[in-house]
Formats: sequence, C-alpha cells, structure tokens
Amino acid sequence: AQSVTQPDIHITVSEGASLELRCNYSYGATPYLFWYVQSPGQGLQLLLKYFSGDTLVQGIKGFEAEFKRSQSSFNLRKPSVHWSDAAEYFCAVGDADSWGKLQFGAGTQVVVTP
Amino acid sequence: DAGVIQSPRHEVTEMGQEVTLRCKPISGHNSLFWYRQTMMRGLELLIYFNNNVPIDDSGMPEDRFSAKMPNASFSTLKIQPSEPRDSAVYFCASSFRGAGNTIYFGEGSWLTVV
Repeated sequence: AQSVTQPDIHITVSEGASLELRCNYSYGATPYLFWYVQSPGQGLQLLLKYFSGDTLVQGIKGFEAEFKRSQSSFNLRKPSVHWSDAAEYFCAVGDADSWGKLQFGAGTQVVVTP
Repeated sequence: DAGVIQSPRHEVTEMGQEVTLRCKPISGHNSLFWYRQTMMRGLELLIYFNNNVPIDDSGMPEDRFSAKMPNASFSTLKIQPSEPRDSAVYFCASSFRGAGNTIYFGEGSWLTVV
C-alpha cells in the first residue's frame, strides 16, 4: 500500500530564509506526487505536482520540488520565505489506477518569524 | 471560475441529528471526491464519483454515512445519526477524470457534533 511520511510536524523559519519540507513516499510503481498548502480555515491549494519527465518541478508562489526516485523523496523548497507562507503543507501520492485516491502525509506546519 | 463550493461552511449540531453537507463541483469536472480531515487521522478519502457514479466508497466509515451525486453539478454527504466523533472538516474536491489532472478542493465544511 502506498504511504507518505512527512518527518517534520512543525518548522519555524525566519522571513527571507530558505525553506525545505521533507516528504518520503512508499510505493511500488511510479507515483504521482503532489504538494498542497492549507492556510488557516481554508481549503487545500495545489502548489505543484509531478507525474513524469523533469524531476525538478516548479510550482506557484515560488515553490519547487525535486523527485528523487533513489531516495523515495519529493522535497519542497523555497529560496526565500515570506510571512504569507505560514501555513500547513501536505505531501500526497496517487497512482494511475486510483489517481484520485490521494494518500496524504500528516502535514508540516510552517511558522514564519520576522 | 467559482471553484468548488461547499455549504454549510460551519455547522454545530447535537448528537443524533442528521447532517447534510453539500457540494457544487467546478463546472465541467466529471470526478468528485469527499475527504475528511481530523487531527487524529489527517486527510482521508471517504468516497469518489466518476460521471456521477460512486467508484470507491471504501473510506466511508460506517453505514451512518452516505453520499449521493444526483447530477454533475451537485453532491451531498449525509450523516445520520451524527456522533461527536464525526466532528471534522469535510472537504469536497473535483477534477477532470484521469491521472495527471489537478484535484481542486473546496474550502471545507467544519462540523462540530456536541
């Protein structure tokens, strides 16, 4: 069965500093990988997704993620965070057969300090 | 586009009462999903529809839960009778059917059962 692990429950970062959120997945075939962001009281917004091709994926709001098959990872990065990036971030995995049945990680809460 | 529209946004109800959550997917989308978010279990898929037909309801917790999609622009998730452990945020999401298509989430219905 597919699974997603986000090792960091909570991360505090200074505004302007870089951010990296970790995501590890367990899946036999090539997964479809996603990063979503959830602001307080809001729904989930897709930041980026990976299905195939270039393993470095660019998303919205200046985020990018890199798929590393050898490490079963899909880490999210941003070179310089803004206060508005404070939110909860979810990594999710799907597959071609049950693509809509996303398996979500537990989420990483990001706090941005001045 | 208006996005996925859910109602009510917030509901507080007494144990034993019937709860009906409503969803209007993005126009033209032919897949619809109901997810539930709780602190204990995170985000989990309850059921999804393709072309108004339920495809996978294995995530529906028990018979007290039911979901319908009478047409392409409307779906309901009903809990009868409701219990305190049903307190959660219920998200509706929609997409075009097929791997690779983005799944768009609504802002959620925040349910509290007392």
